[in-house]
Amino acid sequence: NFMLTQPHSVSESPGETVTISCTGSSGSIASNYVQWYQQRPGSAPTTVIYDDSQRPSGVPDRFSGSIDASSNSASLTISGLKTEDEADYYCQSYDSSGLVFGGGTKLTVL
Amino acid sequence: EVQLLESGGGLVQPGGSLRLSCAASGFTFSNYAMSWVRQAPGKGLDWVSSISGGGGATYYADSVKGRFTISRDNSKNTVYLLLSSLRAEDTAVYYCAKDFEDAYYGVDVWGQGTTVTVSS
Repeated sequence: NFMLTQPHSVSESPGETVTISCTGSSGSIASNYVQWYQQRPGSAPTTVIYDDSQRPSGVPDRFSGSIDASSNSASLTISGLKTEDEADYYCQSYDSSGLVFGGGTKLTVL
Repeated sequence: EVQLLESGGGLVQPGGSLRLSCAASGFTFSNYAMSWVRQAPGKGLDWVSSISGGGGATYYADSVKGRFTISRDNSKNTVYLLLSSLRAEDTAVYYCAKDFEDAYYGVDVWGQGTTVTVSS
């Protein structure tokens, strides 16, 4: 089965830039769109990136997404970090069986 | 504004059943696939099931296939998830989600979730 692997945690200081990776287990991650979701403590997830690199309205342009076919991975980059960005982030794609989520990455902004 | 409001969660004994509902507003409901995603306590997001806009196609995770049933009533703008033969490992917050189009590939909008606890 297709799987997505994320680092368990990352940390960075306010104002800095952080990148969270999401690596596909098989096939080409570029074949199907990747989405990214933010989940703050005690809240429902929200969508911050869809279709690999598109931002929903209301999501600041500090959030960007990309695909690197050579490493079969997707990335979420957050620049100008703010304390409010501290959250869990999940990548997601899909295969013939359904939606597939990465295990999630806890971002600490300290 | 797109809104999704889940209801129907609660405490149920192992082997029991529960029906979750999700009332949608703010978009043309029948034009979009809908999904349910769950999150066990302290764990990550886990896809459960999806249904096409017309209701004719349904999809399930292997972990719930044969036990859960997704359905929708487009006249009521509501999607349902019937949970049967419940197990302790089904304990989770269940989120209703609107897909980007009439095909499952990603979630556009999430509900606030309803909690299901399976325990004797």
